[in-house]
Amino acid sequence: KQEVTQIPAALSVPEGENLVLNCSFTDSAIYNLQWFRQDPGKGLTSLLLIQSSQREQTSGRLNASLDKSSGRSTLYIAASQPGDSATYLCAAKSINDYKLSFGAGTTVTVRA
Amino acid sequence: DGGITQSPKYLFRKEGQNVTLSCEQNLNHDAMYWYRQDPGQGLRLIYYSQIVNDFQKGDIAEGYSVSREKKESFPLTVTSAQKNPTAFYLCASSDGTYNSPLHFGNGTRLTVT
Repeated sequence: KQEVTQIPAALSVPEGENLVLNCSFTDSAIYNLQWFRQDPGKGLTSLLLIQSSQREQTSGRLNASLDKSSGRSTLYIAASQPGDSATYLCAAKSINDYKLSFGAGTTVTVRA
Repeated sequence: DGGITQSPKYLFRKEGQNVTLSCEQNLNHDAMYWYRQDPGQGLRLIYYSQIVNDFQKGDIAEGYSVSREKKESFPLTVTSAQKNPTAFYLCASSDGTYNSPLHFGNGTRLTVT
């Protein structure tokens, strides 16, 4: 069974600092790795999807990398802003059962 | 605007009552999903449907039921058999292909007392 872990559970950074969010997964047999953002009391918004054949994906200030062999993905957010404060979740889609397994998320606070 | 609408946003029920959460999408997506989110935990899959009139149990289906009579609608019923129903419930959809991203509604927070 796929286990997805995100450490730390929370972090706080000053505005302008680059953010590095970690995601690890136990089973490398995945179709893709997805990153989501969740604001308090809201649903999830898809940020980036990295297919298993890809090493990274970029969208604006966001860059996500994928290393299947080591079971890791990293989300980089450049020049953080207070508006980036949210919970970021990663999810791995398993080849075995086509299901997405979610991490518990990292809650980010960007201090002005 | 295309999207997923969940209603109501907040729901309060007494223990022993069944309750139905609504989920409607106008994205023309084939696949729809129900997840449950509890504090400090990842999302857990309750039920999913890849096509109209067909649905499958997820990891925590006990105490829940669904129907998929129309492509755009996937209601979830939380029955009195669900031991700990208080949670945040999220509906999602995708076009059903392997590498399509998931789109989420804004959730329903259910409180059972």
